[in-house]
Amino acid sequence: GENVEQHPSTLSVQEGDSAVIKCTYSDSASNYFPWYKQELGKRPQLIIDIRSNVGEKKDQRIAVTLNKTAKHFSLHITETQPEDSAVYFCAASRASGGSYIPTFGRGTSLIVHP
Amino acid sequence: EADIYQTPRYLVIGTGKKITLECSQTMGHDKMYWYQQDPGMELHLIHYSYGVNSTEKGDLSSESTVSRIRTEHFPLTLESARPSHTSQYLCASSDHRGGEKLFFGSGTQLSVL
Repeated sequence: GENVEQHPSTLSVQEGDSAVIKCTYSDSASNYFPWYKQELGKRPQLIIDIRSNVGEKKDQRIAVTLNKTAKHFSLHITETQPEDSAVYFCAASRASGGSYIPTFGRGTSLIVHP
Repeated sequence: EADIYQTPRYLVIGTGKKITLECSQTMGHDKMYWYQQDPGMELHLIHYSYGVNSTEKGDLSSESTVSRIRTEHFPLTLESARPSHTSQYLCASSDHRGGEKLFFGSGTQLSVL
């Protein structure tokens, strides 16, 4: 099955700095890579996603890059703000019985210091 | 408003009790999932469903069962709760029309004494 590794497990930055979270996956059939943000005590919510036919995608201060050859993808947050503090999960999905069943990374706890 | 709802929000029970965690979604999604998560920790898939009358076991071994009799309803049952079942349980749904994005419920925090 799919295996997703996510690093680092904890990331501490100063407000205004950039943050990068990296994930690798093992199944070359995976073709959908979402990122979810989970604030303390709240449900995970999708913040950005990328499909295997695209190398990079941006949405304001966040971006995701994908390297299919190396089987890794990364989340980039620029000009971090305290409200970016949360746990971030990457995921990789494969088609299974006509559906995508995501495999999640272990999560990265991002702490943005004011 | 279309959403995914979980009840109860918190549950404290004794060992050996049978419990059912409820999950309903009003978004018309065909796929539904149950995840187990300790605070701030990784998400473990325990069950999923492609649609009515479809149920599959996930990666985490679990003594729980699920049913999918109606599209909008995906309850999770523990026949005999144990302290090791203490955790947060998150229900989610997705649909290919939404690009397979997962929408999560607010979760049920279960404590087994």
